[in-house]
Amino acid sequence: GQNIDQPTEMTATEGAIVQINCTYQTSGFNGLFWYQQHAGEAPTFLSYNVLDGLEEKGRFSSFLSRSKGYSYLLLKELQMKDSASYLCAAMDSNYQLIWGAGTKLIIKP
Amino acid sequence: GAVVSQHPSWVICKSGTSVKIECRSLDFQATTMFWYRQFPKQSLMLMATSNEGSKATYEQGVEKDKFLINHASLTLSTLTVTSAHPEDSSFYICSARDLGAGSGSLDEQFFGPGTRLTVL
Repeated sequence: GQNIDQPTEMTATEGAIVQINCTYQTSGFNGLFWYQQHAGEAPTFLSYNVLDGLEEKGRFSSFLSRSKGYSYLLLKELQMKDSASYLCAAMDSNYQLIWGAGTKLIIKP
Repeated sequence: GAVVSQHPSWVICKSGTSVKIECRSLDFQATTMFWYRQFPKQSLMLMATSNEGSKATYEQGVEKDKFLINHASLTLSTLTVTSAHPEDSSFYICSARDLGAGSGSLDEQFFGPGTRLTVL
């Protein structure tokens, strides 16, 4: 079956760095997405990886290893507004997104 | 960037009534729109894929006669929850693919702001 695993909740300190891991198993693979979702709001796009390696975009970076079925989202210089759920989603061979349950990130002062 | 709107943002209705939710792509054309449902503290769950001019494709376990989807144009899809019951209370989110993004672009879905449905 198809499956996405990511931690349920993480806590980090303002100004620090946090890494949110995601492992996936899909029928075929057409890329790995990370979305941010604040409570009561729709997800917003953060990153897309389809090739192995690290993609950096400001304070956020995303890494992919296709051979390991593994990705992580790295958040640097954490700010209070980064408190949100972070959703990992893999696109299968039918171009359907398979969603993880999300990681709730709590930022403490 | 591409913008997707949803209307209404929230709705409260009595059990047994029907509720229509609109999803519009404001500055791009979308042949494909997706309808998701999200219960509190749970992941997004794809309900159906809506294709312009054809019948929607429903995910397993989603009743097509209860959740009516119409994709009448390249910028509008509607979801009607018929005879709503309290267990249908949820956050409904639509997303759309940009038809004109080109084959070289990533296949990003643009999300609407969501509609919170509460059925009393």
